[in-house]
Amino acid sequence: SAVISQKPSRDICQRGTSLTIQCQVDSQVTMMFWYRQQPGQSLTLIATANQGSEATYESGFVIDKFPISRPNLTFSTLTVSNMSPEDSSIYLCSALAIGLGQETQYFGPGTRLLVL
Amino acid sequence: GENVEQHPSTLSVQEGDSAVIKCTYSDSASNYFPWYKQELGKRPQLIIDIRSNVGEKKDQRIAVTLNKTAKHFSLHITETQPEDSAVYFCAATIDSGGYQKVTFGTGTKLQVIP
Repeated sequence: SAVISQKPSRDICQRGTSLTIQCQVDSQVTMMFWYRQQPGQSLTLIATANQGSEATYESGFVIDKFPISRPNLTFSTLTVSNMSPEDSSIYLCSALAIGLGQETQYFGPGTRLLVL
Repeated sequence: GENVEQHPSTLSVQEGDSAVIKCTYSDSASNYFPWYKQELGKRPQLIIDIRSNVGEKKDQRIAVTLNKTAKHFSLHITETQPEDSAVYFCAATIDSGGYQKVTFGTGTKLQVIP
């Protein structure tokens, strides 16, 4: 299994500013992802964080708005840039860990972001 | 891309009764189907999963069935308890260009009435 921590757990930000969310996994994982979840909604994949190279973004998400880093196998950051109230959401880090020859996806506790 | 539909969106059952949640997927290449439980304000947690080479898997009160021909899979919870109340998400996983991509269903809010 993998234990994933995120910080900050929550933040209130002013529009136009940026926030960087950190994600740390306690073991080596194969893939890391960033999701967004609006209250009461499903999870929407923002991007796959690739170690040492540019992230792979899903349709509707761009690097300028959501720059992502993954300098090593167990750590990644997501920045929400030039925030607007529409960016208010829960941002979840996720990772694929291998156990017993199979990959399982785990989630971090999420970062609850409110943009005023 | 993959499309996952999940039904019902809400489900209320009496304690002790069974609950069934159904999902369909569109891409026949999907080969891994996890189910997640998300309690209010908490992270999604894997409760059971099934791979495409298996038709059914059971873990105590929870079971999942997969019909690859029809491209649907279901979560079955028996003898429901109030602590089963949560939002449940199904997902379908497909390999895409060397990367795994997970598509989540829209979620089912389960309420178990004591």
